[in-house]
Parts: sequence; C-alpha cells; structure tokens
Amino acid sequence: DVKVTQSSRYLVKRTGEKVFLECVQDMDHENMFWYRQDPGLGLRLIYFSYDVKMKEKGDIPEGYSVSREKKERFSLILESASTNQTSMYLCASRPGGGAVGYTFGSGTRLTVV
Amino acid sequence: GENVEQHPSTLSVQEGDSAVIKCTYSDSASNYFPWYKQELGKRPQLIIDIRSNVGEKKDQRIAVTLNKTAKHFSLHITETQPEDSAVYFCAASKNSGGYQKVTFGIGTKLQVIP
Repeated sequence: DVKVTQSSRYLVKRTGEKVFLECVQDMDHENMFWYRQDPGLGLRLIYFSYDVKMKEKGDIPEGYSVSREKKERFSLILESASTNQTSMYLCASRPGGGAVGYTFGSGTRLTVV
Repeated sequence: GENVEQHPSTLSVQEGDSAVIKCTYSDSASNYFPWYKQELGKRPQLIIDIRSNVGEKKDQRIAVTLNKTAKHFSLHITETQPEDSAVYFCAASKNSGGYQKVTFGIGTKLQVIP
C-alpha cells in the first residue's frame, strides 16, 4: 500500500543536465517536502510546499527548484546537475494543520557523473 | 534556529537487551518530537511520537520520554530483536510562521547482534 511514490529508484545523470525528480502522494496531504540524505549529515530540507502552487525554501535550496501544480504531485528540479548533488533524495508528505509525522517515499538515489 | 543533537551515532546491543537513543534540542518552542526508523534500503517510517504536554509514551517494546526542562527526549527499545536493526532519527518540530518546522537529528545506527 505505497502512499508516497517517487518515480525513479535510481538515476544516473551527466553534469549539466536538467533533472526532474517526481513525487506523488495519494493521501490528499496538503504539505509536501523534499530532503536529501547524505552519510554523516542526516536529512536536510531542500524545499517544501504547504499548498498547491506554493513553495518555500528549506535549508539547502541552492541549485534546486520545485513545482507543485497539483495537490498530489511535488517535483524537484535540478536546473544544471553537478557532482555535489549526488545523493539520496527523499520526498515526504503530511496532512496540514498540526504537529503530525511524515510519510516518506522510498527515495531516489541520484548519481551525477 | 533549532539544533537537534543525537547520540550515540552507532549502537550495538545483544539480542534481548535494551537500547536507548538520546536527543537534545535547543529551542524551547519545539512541541512535537517524532522518531523514525529507516531499515537498510528502505524509507524512513514513523514509529512513535510525543507531544510537549506528555512526559512519556509507550507502544509495545518502544517508549519515548520527554524532559522539557532539560530539553531532551529519548527512545527506549526493550527486548531488542534483530529486526530492530536500523537507523533511527529523532526530530523536533515547532510552529513557525503558520507551519510546523522540523529539524532532524543526524541518526543512530542500531545493530542488534543475535
């Protein structure tokens, strides 16, 4: 019963390519998030969205952008991929309105060569 | 901003023993403290959470305690089993500008030795 789906499990891209990471949730959640996970650094917030068509920068937004045209879909865009963006990318969602936990996707392991 | 420190970074226990993972936070406005378990190659999953108006919460073999005065909270796993082996993340969350801002700890890799 997968509820947060990330379109790719593994991706290999070349430096300078434009990369799209897609995330879809079927729980009607208002809030969606993109994190990257690196060894020794934990989970770092890239961007988040509290509603359709709105977006906010997280702690490490440089080199990334996002799009949320529909409530269920939140896309992360690497405008020009660089090797330091090689990482595990995790999408998460949660209901709006209060202190509740995340539901995470399975992650996309991106390698930029 | 909020700072969450988690320790130890790695923990090995014998099957059947207890495991304790500790986190401290810096912002007294934090009011929600979830714990996530991430098994190797899998997504993080919420296993237990506690709100600031509660001092302790238990769910079968796992429990979380919160000391607001000292600004620390802990995860306790009793009677550990090999399937408890995973990376555990703590987090602290607070209301910020109309939304809940979450800060994660760096994670603890727990190994349960059969």
